[in-house]
Amino acid sequence: GQQVMQIPQYQHVQEGEDFTTYCNSSTTLSNIQWYKQRPGGHPVFLIQLVKSGEVKKQKRLTFQFGEAKKNSSLHITATQTTDVGTYFCAGRGGTSYGKLTFGQGTILTVHP
Amino acid sequence: EADIYQTPRYLVIGTGKKITLECSQTMGHDKMYWYQQDPGMELHLIHYSYGVNSTEKGDLSSESTVSRIRTEHFPLTLESARPSHTSQYLCASSETQGHQEQFFGPGTRLTVL
Repeated sequence: GQQVMQIPQYQHVQEGEDFTTYCNSSTTLSNIQWYKQRPGGHPVFLIQLVKSGEVKKQKRLTFQFGEAKKNSSLHITATQTTDVGTYFCAGRGGTSYGKLTFGQGTILTVHP
Repeated sequence: EADIYQTPRYLVIGTGKKITLECSQTMGHDKMYWYQQDPGMELHLIHYSYGVNSTEKGDLSSESTVSRIRTEHFPLTLESARPSHTSQYLCASSETQGHQEQFFGPGTRLTVL
């Protein structure tokens, strides 16, 4: 079955440093989504990438979808304490109506 | 804010009890999901539904069961709770078209003694 691997599992940064989490799929994806879960909260949708090589930005967050549509990354520039949480990628295989498979998540800690 | 609700938010119960975790959404979404998540860990899909009278088991084997008699309601039942069922249970829903982003409920934190 489809597997989505995400690294690193944990990342500790000083406030102001950059942060990147990577997501790799065992199969070609039709699209990939990113979610953020604050400590004690529930996952919240951030963005969806559909096109090969797509890059999208949300303020300090930059999302990329690989050319082969098998990997993705989330980069945060100049982290802030509000960025603390777990970031999950979730890949959809096969058709655009296929099941979503979540990665293991990256837990981000930001030290002030 | 998404209109998806879960009750109870917290539940502490003894071994062997039957429990039902409630999940309701007012967005008219056909797709609904149940995930199990231990603190700081990944999301495991345990059940999903693509519409009324449709239910499927997810990637993680679970002793729980679900039903989908109404579009807005997707309850999860454990016939006999055990300490190994202690976890957080998250319900989610999504549209069938478009982004199909999943909207998550606040979760139920279950502790089985």
